[in-house]
Amino acid sequence: GQNIDQPTEMTATEGAIVQINCTYQTSGFNGLFWYQQHAGEAPTFLSYNVLDGLEEKGRFSSFLSRSKGYSYLLLKELQMKDSASYLCAVYTSGTYKYIFGTGTRLKVLA
Amino acid sequence: GAGVSQSPRYKVAKRGQDVALRCDPISGHVSLFWYQQALGQGPEFLTYFQNEAQLDKSGLPSDRFFAERPEGSVSTLKIQRTQQEDSAVYLCASSASNQPQHFGDGTRLSIL
Repeated sequence: GQNIDQPTEMTATEGAIVQINCTYQTSGFNGLFWYQQHAGEAPTFLSYNVLDGLEEKGRFSSFLSRSKGYSYLLLKELQMKDSASYLCAVYTSGTYKYIFGTGTRLKVLA
Repeated sequence: GAGVSQSPRYKVAKRGQDVALRCDPISGHVSLFWYQQALGQGPEFLTYFQNEAQLDKSGLPSDRFFAERPEGSVSTLKIQRTQQEDSAVYLCASSASNQPQHFGDGTRLSIL
């Protein structure tokens, strides 16, 4: 079956670093995406990994290990506006589906 | 417009009524996806279009759900004989080939 696991909630302090993990078991793999979603708003694209390793994009980095079915999103220098849900999604090969995790609600405290 | 536009933003319907949700994708985007998102959950795939062709509708929960994209641009998701469990946010996303999806703000559907 298709399964994506993320922690439900995380809390961190402004200025700190937080790592949000995602593990997946899917029938085929064609890339892993991270999206940010503020309450009542559309998900917005953060990063994409298709090969193993680290992708860095400003304060955000994402890592992928295909052999372990594992990814993480690293957020540095946390700001209050980073309080949101972070969605991990796998693009499965052989289909057109993106399978999303339930999302991790991140609360950034002052 | 510059982004994916969905209308209406909010829809309230009585159980048993039919509803139609509209999605205007980003101009030129070949791929169009519909998702259903329940509160506190991630988006669940419903269906996928490549231009006007509906290539995957395996996520549609029942035959009450129907989607179309007749000219390969605007898409409509129709739900017939709505039931309370259809209450959710319906998200539309579009993308160019091999590019990340861009999402609309969604339609929040409430069935009374």
